[in-house]
Amino acid sequence: GAVVSQHPSRVICKSGTSVKIECRSLDFQATTMFWYRQFPKQSLMLMATSNEGSKATYEQGVEKDKFLINHASLTLSTLTVTSAHPEDSSFYICSAPFPMGGPQHFGDGTRLSIL
Amino acid sequence: DAKTTQPPSMDCAEGRAANLPCNHSTISGNEYVYWYRQIHSQGPQYIIHGLKNNETNEMASLIITEDRKSSTLILPHATLRDTAVYYCIVREGSYSGAGSYQLTFGKGTKLSVIP
Repeated sequence: GAVVSQHPSRVICKSGTSVKIECRSLDFQATTMFWYRQFPKQSLMLMATSNEGSKATYEQGVEKDKFLINHASLTLSTLTVTSAHPEDSSFYICSAPFPMGGPQHFGDGTRLSIL
Repeated sequence: DAKTTQPPSMDCAEGRAANLPCNHSTISGNEYVYWYRQIHSQGPQYIIHGLKNNETNEMASLIITEDRKSSTLILPHATLRDTAVYYCIVREGSYSGAGSYQLTFGKGTKLSVIP
């Protein structure tokens, strides 16, 4: 069964709306989670590393004020796309590694469509 | 940049073994080889990983060459549900902080299982 739950699976909203995506680790604690973005026919690109109890680390070129990350507990990280525009439309995927070097497990992704 | 090279696409007849190659000539001594796959519009699914010994689980087998510069993922009896993009990724195995969890995705191999 799934070990990482991501919600919602699909969002369609108007330009200027803020959208929150949740990522939960099931039955294990994750001090670190990762957020990826995938555009059509491209590979996954790491956006940021979410750290429980501290600030997220963003990859070069990712706007931290636009993509707000909150790692509120050992099982939950949220990504908020603020004032979303059509160019933010993409497939957003989170992942969480099993503790101490274990493999990462991924959520089923969120398809975000901004009209 | 991804540290691995994979063929962009492969076909396999249903019921036959699918052998997916991966070159990782610059792999270092403490890096593991991980395989994931991504079925259309889903998050990546962990398949298997290994360091230098061959590995087998309920999903697949992983064969790593003695010099560790290449590996092959084997799906012993491919089904239509195995149609996906398969990613070969090298990653540091020992835990040295959140960064050691990071995965860098290349373009992968699109496997098409044909009836």
